[in-house]
Amino acid sequence: DSGVTQTPKHLITATGQRVTLRCSPRSGDLSVYWYQQSLDQGLQFLIQYYNGEERAKGNILERFSAQQFPDLHSELNLSSLELGDSALYFCASTSQSTYEQYFGPGTRLTVT
Amino acid sequence: ILNVEQSPQSLHVQEGDSTNFTCSFPSSNFYALHWYRWETAKSPEALFVMTLNGDEKKKGRISATLNTKEGYSYLYIKGSQPEDSATYLCASDTGRRALTFGSGTRLQVQP
Repeated sequence: DSGVTQTPKHLITATGQRVTLRCSPRSGDLSVYWYQQSLDQGLQFLIQYYNGEERAKGNILERFSAQQFPDLHSELNLSSLELGDSALYFCASTSQSTYEQYFGPGTRLTVT
Repeated sequence: ILNVEQSPQSLHVQEGDSTNFTCSFPSSNFYALHWYRWETAKSPEALFVMTLNGDEKKKGRISATLNTKEGYSYLYIKGSQPEDSATYLCASDTGRRALTFGSGTRLQVQP
């Protein structure tokens, strides 16, 4: 158990819908990262937040957005969902003093 | 090298065999190199983070080396066990801490 929690574990929804994935970092960690693992691709970095502010952006679609709240939990919002958005979405957290990223259990999103 | 590349893509070994995998990464703008172990239905678990050229790290039967000048890292597993079966990922960190992952090496250890 890494100490990073993600909800829900599984999500099945239809095309065109909007969903919110939630992540709580390890106690004391200020940084949260979101990654997407599609069937045919490796882990792809989406976005990073540090203490409530966006720090880095990767290959994140405009239909996707994220935020980090004052209690440091983060939400990833996916809208106008397409079949190709079906994937495993991980969040990870890290502290200022270590380089290691600790991954949550992931949310498996299935768009039908 | 523009991306992070790992080889081989998959590997089947017998219990007790020693094995190694390669990770190639862009040597410019290097900050750190991460190795993760990813078992099916679980989340990636950090094995090593290496930052210095010539770095060598060890955890039990698993060790890793780093060459930042030429942009490669090796992961070694000595005396493979069935519980070592997993996908081993490496990831490059250019300082923003947003990791660029390779596609992984899938290791299967037969008892």
